[in-house]
Amino acid sequence: SQQGEEDPQALSIQEGENATMNCSYKTSINNLQWYRQNSGRGLVHLILIRSNEREKHSGRLRVTLDTSKKSSSLLITASRAADTASYFCASIQTGANNLFFGTGTRLTVIP
Amino acid sequence: DAGVIQSPRHEVTEMGQEVTLRCKPISGHDYLFWYRQTMMRGLELLIYFNNNVPIDDSGMPEDRFSAKMPNASFSTLKIQPSEPRDSAVYFCASSDLNSPLHFGNGTRLTVT
Repeated sequence: SQQGEEDPQALSIQEGENATMNCSYKTSINNLQWYRQNSGRGLVHLILIRSNEREKHSGRLRVTLDTSKKSSSLLITASRAADTASYFCASIQTGANNLFFGTGTRLTVIP
Repeated sequence: DAGVIQSPRHEVTEMGQEVTLRCKPISGHDYLFWYRQTMMRGLELLIYFNNNVPIDDSGMPEDRFSAKMPNASFSTLKIQPSEPRDSAVYFCASSDLNSPLHFGNGTRLTVT
């Protein structure tokens, strides 16, 4: 990808379990964002974490950022079948405003 | 707001034909982005505009691709001539500075 990688590429869990996705990026960043994409639709923004933040919560979502390792993680707690989607991290390089996306994690939550 | 609107939703064309994709960003957003999504290459940034001016077009694959933004409420991405390898989903997105992107639902292009 133009900026980073995510792992795993695919994740399958049972409803109610937690899902963790990881993202690595290549350059210094202003912020890092996570997006969700349902099949056949555009991406939808979930959460943004700035480079001076280490952790952020939004509902069942928890995002961490480690700028020394150039990595981030997205945790979805108490997963639901409706969480089935692809999840992408994206980062804005310092001094720019172009957003580069990772390769995505395909999450399947089994009811 | 209706969100970012892209048209057409689907486009099927023959190799060599000209293809024009259209985008209406969210009113008031200063930035507009064109992305291409394929299974092999994921989401690629093609070009982005700030206040209707192209800022970075380094992602545009080759001269067959061109993008314009004649005013704050409209942008086009044109492929001339189209080739089968251009088949992909093309997304338009808009935003304010350092703010999250708002995506349209994309145009699925198939070139036969």
